[in-house]
Amino acid sequence: DTAVSQTPKYLVTQMGNDKSIKCEQNLGHDTMYWYKQDSKKFLKIMFSYNNKELIINETVPNRFSPKSPDKAHLNLHINSLELGDSAVYFCASSQVSGAVMNTEAFFGQGTRLTVV
Amino acid sequence: RKEVEQDPGPFNVPEGATVAFNCTYSNSASQSFFWYRQDCRKEPKLLMSVYSSGNEDGRFTAQLNRASQYISLLIRDSKLSDSATYLCVVNKGFKTIFGAGTRLFVKA
Repeated sequence: DTAVSQTPKYLVTQMGNDKSIKCEQNLGHDTMYWYKQDSKKFLKIMFSYNNKELIINETVPNRFSPKSPDKAHLNLHINSLELGDSAVYFCASSQVSGAVMNTEAFFGQGTRLTVV
Repeated sequence: RKEVEQDPGPFNVPEGATVAFNCTYSNSASQSFFWYRQDCRKEPKLLMSVYSSGNEDGRFTAQLNRASQYISLLIRDSKLSDSATYLCVVNKGFKTIFGAGTRLFVKA
């Protein structure tokens, strides 16, 4: 049983294309995240959702549009892909109660996006 | 100033060595603290939570100093399998911030 699963694992696409990455968690967590890990391995938060509601948007370009149809899913759609979007994108989930993350964040295996 | 800062390393140590990692954070209102481990081309995974009273898990000891906004991780008797990147993680509410990580190489 995979706790946090994201698809696809690898994505190679041309500049200007639109692509989506899907994420699902079966842990019953209320909070889900998208992180970007660039070539320097720095893991940077992009979005945080709680119960399908956007809580944090870390000044991500509006070409990136997250969508949460229910609290178990958080998908990421990217329009007009650019070379600089090449990175590994990680989905994660955790349980936040009383606005404190009191359990670990579980990560998906990552989606390695390459824009050519 | 970055929200979470770590010594980037890399740390190259022989098996059996003791190695210490440090981390500082800028937001004094931060609420929870963790160390994560990330192996090459894998997702980050929780190593241990960090408490003000200090906590130990086998060869690993973590410490939090809220006054100095400082977190540490001590690894004793290093094993080859400890080679990885260690990420300092600070949380406030719905925002979880990762440090850039410290790379550890343990050699035979």
